[in-house]
Amino acid sequence: ELKVEQNPLFLSMQEGKNYTIYCNYSTTSDRLYWYRQDPGKSLESLFVLLSNGAVKQEGRLMASLDTKARLSTLHITAAVHDLSATYFCAVDPNAGKSTFGDGTTLTVKP
Amino acid sequence: DAGVTQSPTHLIKTRGQQVTLRCSPKSGHDTVSWYQQALGQGPQFIFQYYEEEERQRGNFPDRFSGHQFPNYSSELNVNALLLGDSALYLCASSHRSGKRTQYFGPGTRLLVL
Repeated sequence: ELKVEQNPLFLSMQEGKNYTIYCNYSTTSDRLYWYRQDPGKSLESLFVLLSNGAVKQEGRLMASLDTKARLSTLHITAAVHDLSATYFCAVDPNAGKSTFGDGTTLTVKP
Repeated sequence: DAGVTQSPTHLIKTRGQQVTLRCSPKSGHDTVSWYQQALGQGPQFIFQYYEEEERQRGNFPDRFSGHQFPNYSSELNVNALLLGDSALYLCASSHRSGKRTQYFGPGTRLLVL
């Protein structure tokens, strides 16, 4: 059974600081997603990582994938309040049957 | 370009009742997956439909069933509702060829009393 573990589950940051969220998974997969979810809302796709060594950046967020280590990271640079949300990674080895982590709830404080 | 749409947005039912949720995929997509997201948890895969057939299924009981129509829209049916079925139900659409990127709908929030 595929397992996806995120850590930390809760993260409180000060504005301007940097931090990394980790996503480990147990089975080989050629596709890993990062999503953002605001309270009461649906999932917003942030990144799709397709191959070993893939790195994608959008604004203050950067995601990377190491398929050999079965590890993805989401790095936050100079956090701002607008980044407060829950972030999920999801692994999709079976074409649409995604397995999600438990999410990391990020709170950015002034 | 319309994205993924779901209806209704909210629903309140009582234990033992049955419910039907609906999803229209993003234009150009032919595959629909359904997920259940309980409060404070990540989404859990229920099943996936493509070419009007269930293609993959997660660890959900037979009370959960679905259907896909020729226009690729889909329904999720849940029978004999339990309190534990209260959750946000998310529909995701994708195309079977190539990219497999999923786009999620806004969800239906189901409350079972």
